[in-house]
Amino acid sequence: DVKVTQSSRYLVKRTGEKVFLECVQDMDHENMFWYRQDPGLGLRLIYFSYDVKMKEKGDIPEGYSVSREKKERFSLILESASTNQTSMYLCASSFARGREKLFFGSGTQLSVL
Amino acid sequence: AQRVTQPEKLLSVFKGAPVELKCNYSYSGSPELFWYVQYSRQRLQLLLRHISRESIKGFTADLNKGETSFHLKKPFAQEEDSAMYYCALSVILGGGADGLTFGKGTHLIIQP
Repeated sequence: DVKVTQSSRYLVKRTGEKVFLECVQDMDHENMFWYRQDPGLGLRLIYFSYDVKMKEKGDIPEGYSVSREKKERFSLILESASTNQTSMYLCASSFARGREKLFFGSGTQLSVL
Repeated sequence: AQRVTQPEKLLSVFKGAPVELKCNYSYSGSPELFWYVQYSRQRLQLLLRHISRESIKGFTADLNKGETSFHLKKPFAQEEDSAMYYCALSVILGGGADGLTFGKGTHLIIQP
């Protein structure tokens, strides 16, 4: 079974802190994604990566950056956390070969106080 | 514009009753659609995709290109169907990568 692992299930941070969310997948997937999930807003794409060191902005990239130094690892960085970034963050991965399904991690619930 | 619309935030039905979760899409190309489900305290997972034309856990969904819809149906709801359901559309992202754009989700509650 594909495993997408997010390093933390719950995180509490203070406004202005730099926050790192880590995601690792074990299926040699080319594509990796970061979404945030908010009630009533569904899943919104923050950033994605289709190869090592390659990254593209999604629909809501403001206030976030990403890093993909190795194929299996995709990190989401909140440069200066704000209260409106309190959310559930979901990492996902997929093969690149066309319209493949996404495999999701279990999510990180981030609270910014 | 690429868009997925799920008009119902919340749908409550009684056990044994039929269920229909609505999904409409907007896409200029040949669409590929998915239904994902998230049970309480579990990760989001694929329920079904239209090209498979299969029934999973009694659920089916038919792509209607004329009405641009991909509604999810089940003839007899069970309590374990209570979950959050997301309709998703396969889209081409930057760099030519395939990704998904999601609807806002429908929370399905099956009452005993």
